[in-house]
Amino acid sequence: EAGVTQFPSHSVIEKGQTVTLRCDPISGHDNLYWYRRVMGKEIKFLLHFVKESKQDESGMPNNRFLAERTGGTYSTLKVQPAELEDSGVYFCASSPYNRENEQFFGPGTRLTVL
Amino acid sequence: DAKTTQPPSMDCAEGRAANLPCNHSTISGNEYVYWYRQIHSQGPQYIIHGLKNNETNEMASLIITEDRKSSTLILPHATLRDTAVYYCIVRVMEYGNKLVFGAGTILRVKS
Repeated sequence: EAGVTQFPSHSVIEKGQTVTLRCDPISGHDNLYWYRRVMGKEIKFLLHFVKESKQDESGMPNNRFLAERTGGTYSTLKVQPAELEDSGVYFCASSPYNRENEQFFGPGTRLTVL
Repeated sequence: DAKTTQPPSMDCAEGRAANLPCNHSTISGNEYVYWYRQIHSQGPQYIIHGLKNNETNEMASLIITEDRKSSTLILPHATLRDTAVYYCIVRVMEYGNKLVFGAGTILRVKS
């Protein structure tokens, strides 16, 4: 069974540009989460989808971040325009509906904003 | 979710047991203790969780004190590949509940 995959693995962009990160959860997992770790800080929750619906987006830092999950499969996280403080590693995780023993994480996307 | 306190780092000899402590003195009756780890350049990985009974799986054992104010994760025979940051997380096991990560413990397994 394939795990959670994320694309790209690395992205280097300039301040003011736009970047879109993609997450493919484990097939059949209705729950999809985004987390991030910015430099020197702890891993922080961004938001949670149940299928295509946003269940909790309390961790989204500001309106420069837009997450979507059209069709309830893969998800994208767009940062527009990117700022220096957005640099970090963005993780995606998924879990089956109504079974929250564990969340399965992807390898992350390392974003560098210059 | 209750807060947790973990030592910032620990060393362990390869082949020996690694015992990672966690304090969670404000834990509520319906909160579980979860352990995750993050190996360098990978995403966090679930290890084990428990409520009040000790738990064991193929990766580790979890010992929770009777008053539930602290717990210990035990890796019975640590290998170099167990070098990672280990996170103790206390949370209610409810649908869609996010994980709240602290600073964790950096475990270095040395040969």
